[in-house]
Amino acid sequence: DGGITQSPKYLFRKEGQNVTLSCEQNLNHDAMYWYRQDPGQGLRLIYYSQIVNDFQKGDIAEGYSVSREKKESFPLTVTSAQKNPTAFYLCASSIDSNYGYTFGSGTRLTVV
Amino acid sequence: GEDVEQSLFLSVREGDSSVINCTYTDSSSTYLYWYKQEPGAGLQLLTYIFSNMDMKQDQRLTVLLNKKDKHLSLRIADTQTGDSAIYFCAAASGTYKYIFGTGTRLKVLA
Repeated sequence: DGGITQSPKYLFRKEGQNVTLSCEQNLNHDAMYWYRQDPGQGLRLIYYSQIVNDFQKGDIAEGYSVSREKKESFPLTVTSAQKNPTAFYLCASSIDSNYGYTFGSGTRLTVV
Repeated sequence: GEDVEQSLFLSVREGDSSVINCTYTDSSSTYLYWYKQEPGAGLQLLTYIFSNMDMKQDQRLTVLLNKKDKHLSLRIADTQTGDSAIYFCAAASGTYKYIFGTGTRLKVLA
């Protein structure tokens, strides 16, 4: 079955560490996205990529980095520069801009 | 910037209809979407409506769009306990970036 897989489901980070969240899709979608979800704030766009080897900053890109070396993969690194990283992170993909996103099941990141 | 607004909570009795409302500001929005999120999970696309439509029905779901007032609603008929979730409205204007609302938490009482 085609889908989008995020791993790990839960991640704990110590202060000052970088961590990388994985996102893989086998839907042959060109576009991929990373969103952050905080309670009562909806979804906020971190980065998106419309094509391999290209990506754009979203609304809250500071403290995050991404790469898009393969069509199937769009990993997100949460760097030590991100001051408040505890959140639920959602990866999504889409075949084009009109037919909606397919979301992964999310990664819950907690700073300890 | 562009915005999508929703009320935060809705509570209904099992078997009743639920109506979740959404307003958006971008008049150039071409597609509007409803997503469902169950606890600890990602978002699932429920339905979408193109901006030149007034209504779309899909089994228990009815979407109404008032483009003049930039108002979108999702009606769930015969609401069941399995419908308890957070429902997100999203607007797209032909770009790859969607604007999501804050989500409406629907609680279905048995």
